[in-house]
Amino acid sequence: DAGVIQSPRHEVTEMGQEVTLRCKPISGHNSLFWYRQTMMRGLELLIYFNNNVPIDDSGMPEDRFSAKMPNASFSTLKIQPSEPRDSAVYFCASSFGGPVGNQPQHFGDGTRLSIL
Amino acid sequence: AQKITQTQPGMFVQEKEAVTLDCTYDTSDQSYGLFWYKQPSSGEMIFLIYQGSYDEQNATEGRYSLNFQKARKSANLVISASQLGDSAMYFCAMRDRRRAGSYQLTFGKGTKLSVIP
Repeated sequence: DAGVIQSPRHEVTEMGQEVTLRCKPISGHNSLFWYRQTMMRGLELLIYFNNNVPIDDSGMPEDRFSAKMPNASFSTLKIQPSEPRDSAVYFCASSFGGPVGNQPQHFGDGTRLSIL
Repeated sequence: AQKITQTQPGMFVQEKEAVTLDCTYDTSDQSYGLFWYKQPSSGEMIFLIYQGSYDEQNATEGRYSLNFQKARKSANLVISASQLGDSAMYFCAMRDRRRAGSYQLTFGKGTKLSVIP
């Protein structure tokens, strides 16, 4: 079975450019999460979708960050304009959010983003 | 307030020995879940094991077991018969109720395990 698919795996771009990260969750999963991982701050939740609806975006750092989930099989995280401090590994994860909540989140391989 | 605490930034273990990675948590919920993930140097996050707050038995998955002590709010990961491939970062995470229908996880800072041949 295909896992969570993220693209691109690596992105290097100049400050001020727009960056778009993409995610395809596991088929049948109804919850999708975007995380950012840095050495300083560890793994931080940016935004969480349930049934394609954003539930909690309190982790989104600022207005330069936006995320969409137009359908159950695709999500994007956009940074515009990008800044060097946005350099990090960005993970997308999905899970089946049933009432018990015992289903693990399955992570993609991440996008390593470097802003010069 | 920090919800997940992993007090060991780094651990060493001899190959074939068992090792325990500590995790304590803080929640006022009665219903919650605890997860452990492994992150090798290649970067992917791999789910290892889950323990629900109402589960009476400690969870086990192959060489992984979770030593769940509810009263002490601890959920330590035990890896038996360590292998060189176990060298990685290990993260403890908790799901508790933030709002109705929310299944967010809070992650600890992680423990870096190094297995020595």
